Amino acid sequence: GQNIDQPTEMTATEGAIVQINCTYQTSGFNGLFWYQQHAGEAPTFLSYNVLDGLEEKGRFSSFLSRSKGYSYLLLKELQMKDSASYLCAVSTPYGQNFVFGPGTRLSVLP
Amino acid sequence: DGGITQSPKYLFRKEGQNVTLSCEQNLNHDAMYWYRQDPGQGLRLIYYSQIVNDFQKGDIAEGYSVSREKKESFPLTVTSAQKNPTAFYLCASQPGLANTGELFFGEGSRLTVL
Repeated sequence: GQNIDQPTEMTATEGAIVQINCTYQTSGFNGLFWYQQHAGEAPTFLSYNVLDGLEEKGRFSSFLSRSKGYSYLLLKELQMKDSASYLCAVSTPYGQNFVFGPGTRLSVLP
Repeated sequence: DGGITQSPKYLFRKEGQNVTLSCEQNLNHDAMYWYRQDPGQGLRLIYYSQIVNDFQKGDIAEGYSVSREKKESFPLTVTSAQKNPTAFYLCASQPGLANTGELFFGEGSRLTVL
């Protein structure tokens, strides 16, 4: 079967660092994506990992371990505008091609 | 500007009525997708199409129908058979299965059944 797990909610303080974990079990693996979604809006692309290791993009970094079926999104220097849901998605070579996790709702407090 | 356009953004429907949500892309992408999102939940796949004149059911296709007569268009009809259609609907596209690029999303359509 296909399954992606993420924590449902997280809270952090402005200026802090937060790590959002994602574990997955899928039939095949092409890559792992992270999307940000503000309430009532469409998801926007944040990062993409296909090989093991850390990908850094400004305040955001994403890590992948394919052998462990594990990824995390690291957000540094949190800002109020980072309050959003963060979706983990795996791209597979078959069928529907993308499997989405339930999303993690992050609240950044002043 | 290249992108995906969904319309309408908000739609109200009476029970028993069919409604069609429009999705148009000018990115020249092969694959197109329709997702449903309920409050506080992730995206669930309704239908997807990898090529013109072909489409496949996703996880929650019952009560929905689609067509793919043109590469740039992938409309979704929510039929009266859909038991609980109130939701946020997202259309997305991707260059093609051979390309492992990300999904590009439209702005979404929010359907409310009165």
